Amino acid sequence: AAGVIQSPRHLIKEKRETATLKCYPIPRHDTVYWYQQGPGQDPQFLISFYEKMQSDKGSIPDRFSAQQFSDYHSELNMSSLELGDSALYFCASSLVHGLAGGNNEQFFGPGTRLTVL
Amino acid sequence: SQQGEEDPQALSIQEGENATMNCSYKTSINNLQWYRQNSGRGLVHLILIRSNEREKHSGRLRVTLDTSKKSSSLLITASRAADTASYFCATDEDNQGGKLIFGQGTELSVKP
Repeated sequence: AAGVIQSPRHLIKEKRETATLKCYPIPRHDTVYWYQQGPGQDPQFLISFYEKMQSDKGSIPDRFSAQQFSDYHSELNMSSLELGDSALYFCASSLVHGLAGGNNEQFFGPGTRLTVL
Repeated sequence: SQQGEEDPQALSIQEGENATMNCSYKTSINNLQWYRQNSGRGLVHLILIRSNEREKHSGRLRVTLDTSKKSSSLLITASRAADTASYFCATDEDNQGGKLIFGQGTELSVKP
């Protein structure tokens, strides 16, 4: 079965550079979520999209932006990178968008490991 | 963590023993999910339990949910060395659009 695809898998950048992470959700899934996991930390929600519209926003820095395109893939754009941005960035997709009592099972991609030097 | 606590933070057991991990949360939820993560790798979905369910099984996994105490437990029976990983609980809160709030995780080490 098709899974969530993320690219690149590894990315090394210098401080103040920009980075773009891509996510391809499972076909027919309508919602994409982005999470950031720092070293030794639990994943933290950044932002989500439902049917190409931003649906929720978490602890995402103003230096970051994201969008979902007509083919449902999503991109996380990160500018003015800082050392503290080094983390694993996960994308997840689900079919049922936040329905109360629903089975909002999220399927995670393998993550992009971003290292900022 | 934004949501709550997991305990223990680390657990070391011998192969064949059972491992129990606990998770507490703070708000009303739609469901609670458990994930497994091998060192620095992706998150693998293990099991989802809805707020109106009390217990769920999947293979060697047993999850309980007590919404009155806002807590959940994950039991892995007859553990194997391959179960060594970090285990996270994550809650899907009411009216929050489906985002997951993760616990701090339990690092499980199963010694052969």
